[in-house]
Amino acid sequence: AQSVTQLGSHVSVSEGALVLLRCNYSSSVPPYLFWYVQYPNQGLQLLLKYTSAATLVKGINDFEAEFKKSETSFHLTKPSAHMSDAAEYFCAVSDTKDGNNRLAFGKGNQVVVIP
Amino acid sequence: GAVVSQHPSWVICKSGTSVKIECRSLDFQATTMFWYRQFPKQSLMLMATSNEGSKATYEQGVEKDKFLINHASLTLSTLTVTSAHPEDSSFYICSARLAGGWDTGELFFGEGSRLTVL
Repeated sequence: AQSVTQLGSHVSVSEGALVLLRCNYSSSVPPYLFWYVQYPNQGLQLLLKYTSAATLVKGINDFEAEFKKSETSFHLTKPSAHMSDAAEYFCAVSDTKDGNNRLAFGKGNQVVVIP
Repeated sequence: GAVVSQHPSWVICKSGTSVKIECRSLDFQATTMFWYRQFPKQSLMLMATSNEGSKATYEQGVEKDKFLINHASLTLSTLTVTSAHPEDSSFYICSARLAGGWDTGELFFGEGSRLTVL
């Protein structure tokens, strides 16, 4: 089964500083990878996705992620953090079980932006 | 496009009662919907996969008689928490996948439903 690992449940970043959230995947097939953001008491919103096209993927709100096969990584970055970026971020990989295609989520990173 | 709506957003009920949560795909057809449960400050736990017109597939450890899932149409899936108890209090999130086309596995999520059982 495919899986993703996100280390460090809480990430603190100063306003204006680089945001870096790490995600490593495990997959026996070429993966489809996703980053989602969740604001309090809301569902998940897609930030960006990798579907075997360009390895550098640009998403909404100036987020981007780079797929590195050699490192089995799909780290999320944003050059300059805003207060509005405070949220929970989940990395996910497509997985198939019992013939059903689904997403396997990481444990998430709670991002705190310090003024 | 690809909007998923859940209702209700918040629900408070007494212990022993049943609660129904609806998940609708507003502008697309979804042959498959997924129901997740999320505890505070934790990741999403997949409860079941719901395929239109067939029985839901439950994950290990999820009681199918307690969490009834119905997916009667291509735009609607419902989760009914039967005989709810305080330990069922949680944030329930549904998601849907576009029917047909190239399936990358991308899911579209509802806003979530906060259930509190007194």
